[in-house]
Amino acid sequence: SAVISQKPSRDICQRGTSLTIQCQVDSQVTMMFWYRQQPGQSLTLIATANQGSEATYESGFVIDKFPISRPNLTFSTLTVSNMSPEDSSIYLCSARSVAGRDTQYFGPGTRLTVL
Amino acid sequence: ELKVEQNPLFLSMQEGKNYTIYCNYSTTSDRLYWYRQDPGKSLESLFVLLSNGAVKQEGRLMASLDTKARLSTLHITAAVHDLSATYFCAVGFSPLVFGKGTRLSVIA
Repeated sequence: SAVISQKPSRDICQRGTSLTIQCQVDSQVTMMFWYRQQPGQSLTLIATANQGSEATYESGFVIDKFPISRPNLTFSTLTVSNMSPEDSSIYLCSARSVAGRDTQYFGPGTRLTVL
Repeated sequence: ELKVEQNPLFLSMQEGKNYTIYCNYSTTSDRLYWYRQDPGKSLESLFVLLSNGAVKQEGRLMASLDTKARLSTLHITAAVHDLSATYFCAVGFSPLVFGKGTRLSVIA
């Protein structure tokens, strides 16, 4: 299995600022993803983080707002830019491992509150 | 566009009773996942169903997949309080599309 860690675990930010969330996986993974989960709601995919190239964004999410990096097979970052209160949510990193490729694992999440 | 529907969305059940959660999806897929989420926690993988007719069991939970009907079920047998959580089904590969979740509460 893959163990995923995220930093920070939570943050409270001011409107108009940006926050970068880090995701580290303990083993090489084929695919990494970023999801958003609003309280009491389901998960919505923001984008697929591609190693060494631009992320693939889902409808409704754009690179200027959610820039993503993935410099290697085990690490990715998501930045939430120019934040507004509507960005308050839990952001989850997810990965599909090379060995157990049929299972998709999730990190503990980053709880973001924007004032 | 793949859509995933779960029902019920809320379920309150007594300890010792049986119940089934349903997951329907709109387009062909040969893989379906069930996850559990406790309040304030991340998602824990319960089952991965990879073929038509697949059935998997773990403790009091049993999941099945009918790809022809585009339906999966998560059956709970003799519920206990520890099973209280939100259960999500998810379909696809890349991306994985989630249902809205079923919030299960098991009461004495």
